[in-house]
Amino acid sequence: AQKVTQAQTEISVVEKEDVTLDCVYETRDTTYYLFWYKQPPSGELVFLIRRNSFDEQNEISGRYSWNFQKSTSSFNFTITASQVVDSAVYFCALTYTGNQFYFGTGTSLTVIP
Amino acid sequence: DTGVSQNPRHKITKRGQNVTFRCDPISEHNRLYWYRQTLGQGPEFLTYFQNEAQLEKSRLLSDRFSAERPKGSFSTLEIQRTEQGDSAMYLCASKDGMDYGYTFGSGTRLTVV
Repeated sequence: AQKVTQAQTEISVVEKEDVTLDCVYETRDTTYYLFWYKQPPSGELVFLIRRNSFDEQNEISGRYSWNFQKSTSSFNFTITASQVVDSAVYFCALTYTGNQFYFGTGTSLTVIP
Repeated sequence: DTGVSQNPRHKITKRGQNVTFRCDPISEHNRLYWYRQTLGQGPEFLTYFQNEAQLEKSRLLSDRFSAERPKGSFSTLEIQRTEQGDSAMYLCASKDGMDYGYTFGSGTRLTVV
């Protein structure tokens, strides 16, 4: 069975603080892909990153970084020096077929100016 | 290309009525997906098409739901005899078969009163 858990329902931070969004997944497949999507108030899910199960290298893109650890089945997302524009709901997702995605319940991030 | 387009953006309907939503994917994308997102939850997979063929359907897609993609371009999702539990955001996504990431539309928010 595939399952993604985002235990943090809501997080509030003050602008310029760092924040980490947690994602824990369950799968029996050895080949799978993990994603993070951002959903601003407009509703459209915006792709942020994709990692495959064979690549555990951490990735940094500007203020965003991702920590993938197969040993703990986690794929955490850190925003450094948060900005008000980062306020959104963030979803972690898992797929092994590339067709059906399993999304977590999302973490609502509010960045307070 | 302007991305994935969904119409209407909002739909309010009375219980028992039929509704139809339309999705126009990115033109070169051969795969098209429908997801449903209820308040406070992540998107849940409903069905997907490769070109005009509907290849997978979730058990969430009851017999009141039908999706079509007649010419392998746009798709429609129809809900017959709507129920209050059908109130949700219906998201469409598309991708090229070789790409593991979706591009999502902004969704159609359905409210059944």
